[in-house]
Amino acid sequence: GAVVSQHPSRVICKSGTSVKIECRSLDFQATTMFWYRQFPKQSLMLMATSNEGSKATYEQGVEKDKFLINHASLTLSTLTVTSAHPEDSSFYICSARGLAGRTGYEQYFGPGTRLTVT
Amino acid sequence: KQEVTQIPAALSVPEGENLVLNCSFTDSAIYNLQWFRQDPGKGLTSLLLIQSSQREQTSGRLNASLDKSSGRSTLYIAASQPGDSATYLCAVGDNYGQNFVFGPGTRLSVLP
Repeated sequence: GAVVSQHPSRVICKSGTSVKIECRSLDFQATTMFWYRQFPKQSLMLMATSNEGSKATYEQGVEKDKFLINHASLTLSTLTVTSAHPEDSSFYICSARGLAGRTGYEQYFGPGTRLTVT
Repeated sequence: KQEVTQIPAALSVPEGENLVLNCSFTDSAIYNLQWFRQDPGKGLTSLLLIQSSQREQTSGRLNASLDKSSGRSTLYIAASQPGDSATYLCAVGDNYGQNFVFGPGTRLSVLP
C-alpha cells in the first residue's frame, strides 16, 4: 500500500524558535497533502490543505504566518511552525492524497510528529 | 458544515466479545468514509475505506457498513482481543476526499 513518512517523529524546541516537519509520500505522487493537529484526548483537526505548486488553504482559526506550509514537489510537503510557543505543543499528522488512478483519492496518513515547546 | 459524532465515547469489554462502534455524520453527500485505529501517542492506522457507492467492507475480524442516506456507519469487531484496545476514529471525506472530517473517536479497552 501507499506509504507516507514524517520526519522528525519527535522534536523538542525552545519557545521562540522555528521547527520544520517534513511529510513525504514514498511510493506515489501526492497532488494534495493535508496537515492535521491533535491535542491530547481530542480528535484530529484539519489545519491546512496544500496542493503541489500552489499556496496552501488554511482552515479558519489557523494562522498562516505562523504555520508555513510548502508543497514544492509531488512527494514532499513541509510544515514550519514559526516562533513556537508552548501552546503549539501538539501531535502533528500529515496525510497525502494520490491521483485518482493510483489510490482512488484515499488519504494515507503519516505516523505523526510530536512537538513539545519548552 | 459536516459534523461527525461517534458513540460510545469509551467502551470496555471482556475478551472474546463481539462489539459495534457507531459513527454518524450530518451531511450525506459524502465521497468516502474511513475507519482508523490510533494507539496512544501514535499515528493513524487505516482499517477500512468505504466508497460512497459501497455498503460495506470487510477485513479479517472487522466489518464496516455504510448507510449514506441515514448518515451512519458502524464498525463491527468480532471476537475482540486485548490487542484491539485503541481509539477508533471514523472520518468522512467529501469533494473527492478533499475535505476530511474526523469524529472524536471511541476509546476501546478489551480486558483479558
